[in-house]
Amino acid sequence: GAVVSQHPSWVICKSGTSVKIECRSLDFQATTMFWYRQFPKQSLMLMATSNEGSKATYEQGVEKDKFLINHASLTLSTLTVTSAHPEDSSFYICSASMVDRASQFFGPGTRLTVL
Amino acid sequence: KQEVTQIPAALSVPEGENLVLNCSFTDSAIYNLQWFRQDPGKGLTSLLLIQSSQREQTSGRLNASLDKSSGRSTLYIAASQPGDSATYLCAGGTSGNTPLVFGKGTRLSVIA
Repeated sequence: GAVVSQHPSWVICKSGTSVKIECRSLDFQATTMFWYRQFPKQSLMLMATSNEGSKATYEQGVEKDKFLINHASLTLSTLTVTSAHPEDSSFYICSASMVDRASQFFGPGTRLTVL
Repeated sequence: KQEVTQIPAALSVPEGENLVLNCSFTDSAIYNLQWFRQDPGKGLTSLLLIQSSQREQTSGRLNASLDKSSGRSTLYIAASQPGDSATYLCAGGTSGNTPLVFGKGTRLSVIA
């Protein structure tokens, strides 16, 4: 149980295009989802926290108008990278938590390459 | 604000050796601490989760300890194997619904 999926697993796009990444909790309802990104040889850094039905909370330095997060249901959160540029190339990982559970469950990640 | 540090950044050991990876954190009001494994280009594999009320957790050849008073956690790997080669990340959370703060990881190479 407690499986989180991400789609797509990888994407290559041209500079200036927008890319949507989906994060789904497959067998549980996620009250909170987190979006992290990881640059090469770096650790995971939190981008934003999203709660179902409310606006996401972004970390300092993360542009909310560039990284649009929608958490419309208890099983789905989406991250849209708008007008992507090469510096947005990274590994994006989501995690989901549910009420009364001590741990978070991580998706397999999405590798974004912007040409 | 929680900060997590991992030492060493990289470690190379011969196969069969027992080893310890270290993780330290600044906020002792930690709710839980998790150890993850990450293979190159891949996502995270959760290894062990220690809740604040626990002192250690074991899974197979892995044993993780948590000492809140000193702000430290260790991951012990017994009888290391080449398949253990990966980056090991520790991460702490202040509650189940707050984001995890990750260390930069220890890159382990086990040489056959």
